[in-house]
Amino acid sequence: AQKITQTQPGMFVQEKEAVTLDCTYDTSDPSYGLFWYKQPSSGEMIFLIYQGSYDQQNATEGRYSLNFQKARKSANLVISASQLGDSAMYFCAMREGARAGSYQLTFGKGTKLSVIP
Amino acid sequence: GAGVSQSPRYKVAKRGQDVALRCDPISGHVSLFWYQQALGQGPEFLTYFQNEAQLDKSGLPSDRFFAERPEGSVSTLKIQRTQQEDSAVYLCASSLGQQGSRNEKLFFGSGTQLSVL
Repeated sequence: AQKITQTQPGMFVQEKEAVTLDCTYDTSDPSYGLFWYKQPSSGEMIFLIYQGSYDQQNATEGRYSLNFQKARKSANLVISASQLGDSAMYFCAMREGARAGSYQLTFGKGTKLSVIP
Repeated sequence: GAGVSQSPRYKVAKRGQDVALRCDPISGHVSLFWYQQALGQGPEFLTYFQNEAQLDKSGLPSDRFFAERPEGSVSTLKIQRTQQEDSAVYLCASSLGQQGSRNEKLFFGSGTQLSVL
């Protein structure tokens, strides 16, 4: 079974509107971290936001917020007031465990977001 | 430099050729990761270094893949006898910490796009 599932291969949003990118995850570990990265056409992965499994509140970073629903195992990214520069691939990723050596991120297949002027 | 630097940016190899991909992490970063990103997919973990020690190479797809980080800074990913299925973008990432706490983010380079003909 895939650990990270992003069901939207592509999304369109009007400039200045909000958009939600879906992410569900699968783990039996009670301790994990969830990340969102943006990958523009230049190829570099840019960190956007982080949510820990024990965090009580949803994470926010500027125009980015994470809608964390632990029981449903979902961690959707919300981008408010979309800008043309937001057009890119977006990846959800997870790091499992608090045990020593738990360091690698597992990524989903990504969602391509296109912002329309 | 300020970010993770990878070279070359593009590499074309004939099937059977050996290639070497270089990664220069952020100065002072202890952890270094290599990921492979096939077209239309998310990055997949290859290997992890803590300083000069290669602590995890479980993601390397075959014994044709070899990575090193002899002085705990610059790393090289070597692929011997390249095959067409090796065509992908190879991403390098670094992070400040050692084992990596749950919330520690990775800083990525722009990648090397390898095309095997």
